[in-house]
Amino acid sequence: DSGVTQTPKHLITATGQRVTLRCSPRSGDLSVYWYQQSLDQGLQFLIQYYNGEERAKGNILERFSAQQFPDLHSELNLSSLELGDSALYFCASSVREVWPGNTIYFGEGSWLTVV
Amino acid sequence: GQQVMQIPQYQHVQEGEDFTTYCNSSTTLSNIQWYKQRPGGHPVFLIQLVKSGEVKKQKRLTFQFGEAKKNSSLHITATQTTDVGTYFCVRGTGGFKTIFGAGTRLFVKA
Repeated sequence: DSGVTQTPKHLITATGQRVTLRCSPRSGDLSVYWYQQSLDQGLQFLIQYYNGEERAKGNILERFSAQQFPDLHSELNLSSLELGDSALYFCASSVREVWPGNTIYFGEGSWLTVV
Repeated sequence: GQQVMQIPQYQHVQEGEDFTTYCNSSTTLSNIQWYKQRPGGHPVFLIQLVKSGEVKKQKRLTFQFGEAKKNSSLHITATQTTDVGTYFCVRGTGGFKTIFGAGTRLFVKA
């Protein structure tokens, strides 16, 4: 158990809909990361927050948005969903803000299926 | 530019055989990390390499960082079925972003 909690674990929704994925980081971790992993694909970095502020953006679509709240939990909002958005979405957390030496702890992931 | 290339993409081995995955960058890396993801699981941190030419061992796993800090390797001696999974190398970009390699998926036949 990494200490990172993600909900829901599984989600099936229709195209055009909007979903919210939730993440609670490890106790004491201020940095939260979101990654997308499609079938047989590597991990695509989406976005990072540190102590409530956005720090870095990766390959995140405009239809997607995220935020980190004062209690440090984070939400990833996915809207106007398309079939291609079906993927495993990981949240991860770390103590520090920047590389190097920043071990990242991953949650179990949220499986999103768009039908 | 900042991508890391991992080879091979897939590797099938017989249990007991050795396995090596390589991670290459066109630019110098400040450090590199390795993660393992079991089938159906999430990535788990294995190790971090920082120094040029560094070699670290974890039981049957040997990690190396190249002298020029542009490549790294993970070698597993005498693979076991528990080694099955995808191995990722990860680099930073000098700031906040992390970049994962595409991973090497290891299959071990008992």
